[in-house]
This record gives sequence, structure tokens and C-alpha cells, in this order.
Amino acid sequence: GESVGLHLPTLSVQEGDNSIINCAYSNSASDYFIWYKQESGKGPQFIIDIRSNMDKRQGQRVTVLLNKTVKHLSLQIAATQPGDSAVYFCAENQEGADGLTFGKGTHLIIQP
Amino acid sequence: KAGVTQTPRYLIKTRGQQVTLSCSPISGHRSVSWYQQTPGQGLQFLFEYFSETQRNKGNFPGRFSGRQFSNSRSEMNVSTLELGDSALYLCASSLGLAGATDTQYFGPGTRLTVL
Repeated sequence: GESVGLHLPTLSVQEGDNSIINCAYSNSASDYFIWYKQESGKGPQFIIDIRSNMDKRQGQRVTVLLNKTVKHLSLQIAATQPGDSAVYFCAENQEGADGLTFGKGTHLIIQP
Repeated sequence: KAGVTQTPRYLIKTRGQQVTLSCSPISGHRSVSWYQQTPGQGLQFLFEYFSETQRNKGNFPGRFSGRQFSNSRSEMNVSTLELGDSALYLCASSLGLAGATDTQYFGPGTRLTVL
């Protein structure tokens, strides 16, 4: 089936800088998108979600942007901290579809 | 509220054996989904259970099966284990059917190693 992908397997940023993690999806029928954070030895942790009727949603230090025209999703993390170091996955779902479809993940590395 | 719990956390089996993994969802959640995570294939959907019925199934062989009990706890079983079944098996729960309206919350996973 169609899949969700990420542009970079690894992203290295300086502590305190803003991080932007990108994701491209191919299923134009997708109507729900989620970002998960997975730390070593743990399961994916929900960060933020967005539905297809929105183009931006903000949380605490995080913002998700959705561009349905080019089928692109991004996660912005403000003032990146050491605790943000993890693998970030985007996932998409479609009403009635068989489970979440995940991208390959971007490993965010924080430089001191 | 307690999160999703999975037991055991680690498991070592040999080829040909079978294994049963357990998942307890967040209290009040009625849907449980299972995923397999490997370095090569990433996170892949196995199946989803809601009200003791399998509602959706991913593209995995029949050796992978599951069930859900009346208290929403779920088990998945893998028979005739193969080396390629070595993976992190993740369980996720949601209030209703996992779809465009319900967020899935994941447990810590069970790390299965097949020797």
C-alpha cells in the first residue's frame, strides 16, 4: 500500500535551536496525521496530531504543519532540549483503513 | 491513569516454538492494535481488536494471530517462530476504533528474539 516517508534519517541540531522534521505522504485520502516520539527502549509516545481540515496546530513547544497540496507534514520543535533526543515518526490514517501507516523515522540528535 | 502495559518485556525463543504476548490497554479503552517494529521494515500494523472482534488486519501470515477478552485485554500469538520474527512488538490502545478520530497510545513493547 501507500506509505508515509521522512526526508532525513538523521537530524543534528544545537541545543536551544529550533528543529524541523519533515515527512511526505503519498495517500491523498489520508485524513488524520500524528507525530510520535520514540526514545531508546520505549514505545512511541504521542506528541501531537492534526486532521486534514486543518493546516496548523500548536502544542507546548511543538507545531505541526500540514500542506495537503504537496502532501507534506512537518514537526517544529522550539528551543530544542537534550530530552528531545529521540526518533520521530509521522503516521497517517484514513477512516476505515487498516491501522496507522508509519514513516521510517528521523533520529534527532542534540548537540550541546 | 495507568498507561498501556505489555508483558513480558523481553523474550527469547528458538525457531519453531510459539509465543504469546499480552497487552493491557488504558482503562476505558476498547480498541487494541498490534504493531511489529524492525530496523528494516519499521513499524508495521498487524491487527486491531475492538469488542473482542478482529476489525482490521495487516499483511502478515496466518502464524500471527490474536484475541481480545471482555475486559479489553489482548493477546497475540506467533506460531512456528522464524528468525525474521525477531522484533519489538508494540501494542496500542484507543477509546474507540482506531481511525480518523481516535489517538492510539502505545505500550513499551515486548522485545522478542528468535534464535
